[in-house]
Amino acid sequence: GESVGLHLPTLSVQEGDNSIINCAYSNSASDYFIWYKQESGKGPQFIIDIRSNMDKRQGQRVTVLLNKTVKHLSLQIAATQPGDSAVYFCAENRVTGGGNKLTFGTGTQLKVEL
Amino acid sequence: GAVVSQHPSRVICKSGTSVKIECRSLDFQATTMFWYRQFPKKSLMLMATSNEGSKATYEQGVEKDKFLINHASLTLSTLTVTSAHPEDSSFYICSAPTGTSNTEAFFGQGTRLTVV
Repeated sequence: GESVGLHLPTLSVQEGDNSIINCAYSNSASDYFIWYKQESGKGPQFIIDIRSNMDKRQGQRVTVLLNKTVKHLSLQIAATQPGDSAVYFCAENRVTGGGNKLTFGTGTQLKVEL
Repeated sequence: GAVVSQHPSRVICKSGTSVKIECRSLDFQATTMFWYRQFPKKSLMLMATSNEGSKATYEQGVEKDKFLINHASLTLSTLTVTSAHPEDSSFYICSAPTGTSNTEAFFGQGTRLTVV
């Protein structure tokens, strides 16, 4: 079936380094891709999104890249900080008969080492 | 940003009892809310779409009679886990979109349900 998945379950980086979290998707019929951050025991927190007609979008310390040719999405975090430690999910928004629906990827645990 | 409040954050109940989880949009109206279930170290799985004033739309494989959803007002949706069993233990999360797209969806803080 169609799915959104992540390459790496765990990513460890040194504080101050840049982090890159990847996501592969198989369904090209989506209009938005979104990255969420989830800290332990909490709900997901919106980080950044990108429309399917874009290939790059920048936020504060974060950049999302979308490569529709290979159906790949990445989240880049600059100067990673201890507070960035969390699980990161990519999600795709699709318009279906039941309305807008989000499908989440499997998640990547980001660990920031001091 | 918009605030979605979920209550309770944690609940422990005995097998066979029912548990109600509330999801409120505090500063905006939400005609649609979503309910997700998340197992430890797993992703969020959409359970159902809650529609204000009408029946919820359930995802394939989700038991309607097991997970009762009520969306009686524009700011409140409830999920009731009926006749709970230990396998229903999970993290339940709601979300509410503020716009026409889910990129403006805000999530509640989640409810950790433990059935003993």
